Amino acid sequence: DTAVSQTPKYLVTQMGNDKSIKCEQNLGHDTMYWYKQDSKKFLKIMFSYNNKELIINETVPNRFSPKSPDKAHLNLHINSLELGDSAVYFCASSQSPGLSYEQYFGPGTRLTVT
Amino acid sequence: AQTVTQSQPEMSVQEAETVTLSCTYDTSESDYYLFWYKQPPSRQMILVIRQEAYKQQNATENRFSVNFQKAAKSFSLKISDSQLGDAAMYFCAYRSYGQNFVFGPGTRLSVLP
Repeated sequence: DTAVSQTPKYLVTQMGNDKSIKCEQNLGHDTMYWYKQDSKKFLKIMFSYNNKELIINETVPNRFSPKSPDKAHLNLHINSLELGDSAVYFCASSQSPGLSYEQYFGPGTRLTVT
Repeated sequence: AQTVTQSQPEMSVQEAETVTLSCTYDTSESDYYLFWYKQPPSRQMILVIRQEAYKQQNATENRFSVNFQKAAKSFSLKISDSQLGDAAMYFCAYRSYGQNFVFGPGTRLSVLP
């Protein structure tokens, strides 16, 4: 069984469209994350979320919004897509608040905006 | 704010040889964890090794070991007997209590046959 899954793995869309990426974890973790990895491979955290608190990286445009229907899911919704949104998006999860807990990553979603 | 620096954008190593990837970080915390993640061409992020800051003993996982120098805020990864499958991006990461992970910019490792 896949621990952290994302769908779709590839997403090609046009500027101005709205799209969602789904993430599910079956590890029983209580914290989930979204990262953006740009073309230079730099990983930038966008959101972290547990059942109590959403922490937003202040540099993330408000076109991006996380939606969590339950503890095992954290979907990423993106409005009015722009060319600069093209990147690989990773979902991850971990236990909290323990320091030692690693993050488990999903396989990534490569988003291409044309 | 905590930062993680990896000064080597790219490294290469001959198969079966040893290579060391560098990582330094900046923090005022005394209790934290450090991690090395591997990202092969498949894109999947895989944990390689972790180190607890309060432990002086360096962590090891088979062919992977770290040299943790707390005072110098240095956390290098040594890969022994390098294999072709070790070719990947390697990310150093830091986490302190109540904080999110902070990742370095990565080092691309090539393994030459």
